[in-house]
Amino acid sequence: NAGVTQTPKFRILKIGQSMTLQCAQDMNHNYMYWYRQDPGMGLKLIYYSVGAGITDKGEVPNGYNVSRSTTEDFPLRLELAAPSQTSVYFCASSYRTGGNTEAFFGQGTRLTVV
Amino acid sequence: GENVEQHPSTLSVQEGDSAVIKCTYSDSASNYFPWYKQELGKRPQLIIDIRSNVGEKKDQRIAVTLNKTAKHFSLHITETQPEDSAVYFCAAILTGTASKLTFGTGTRLQVTL
Repeated sequence: NAGVTQTPKFRILKIGQSMTLQCAQDMNHNYMYWYRQDPGMGLKLIYYSVGAGITDKGEVPNGYNVSRSTTEDFPLRLELAAPSQTSVYFCASSYRTGGNTEAFFGQGTRLTVV
Repeated sequence: GENVEQHPSTLSVQEGDSAVIKCTYSDSASNYFPWYKQELGKRPQLIIDIRSNVGEKKDQRIAVTLNKTAKHFSLHITETQPEDSAVYFCAAILTGTASKLTFGTGTRLQVTL
């Protein structure tokens, strides 16, 4: 049971490049989330999903896209990277209901756009 | 949607003292309130949580209280230790629906010797 796995751990992008941050969980969780955390700041929700085939915008979705074709995977796509997207990105997952709705986080992806 | 406010943003206490962090939420339907601790350079990890059918929960030096009427919940850390230094986030959600986990803005706790 690996939990929530994010890849890569670090990445440097040039302005205008694109990339996909990968997130996979093996706990059969319904909910999955993508957050970004700027230095010294809180967690801002980018996108979330309540199940396969269902995604919704969070508070800072501009410049990002997601898909949820399977329960396990929730990739985050950055198109035309900008310096403002320099941040640490966390993926998280949880059960939708039941006795244990704890959200588990991946180890994070540190992205720098130069 | 849900909105969670958290105070204070920074808190400095001496080792052995108690620390209290407070959160308010806006959606009276929310029924699950977790607290996360994030050490420097690490991922957030759950330290304690409480559901709306409970008023208080304790786990060793950590306790959480919930006032549903006032829509307040608080984290209490007693006998603080240097390893308690971290950023703490509160959150709220209505489970079993399409709602999302909403976090507070975080509290940076510094425990000084």
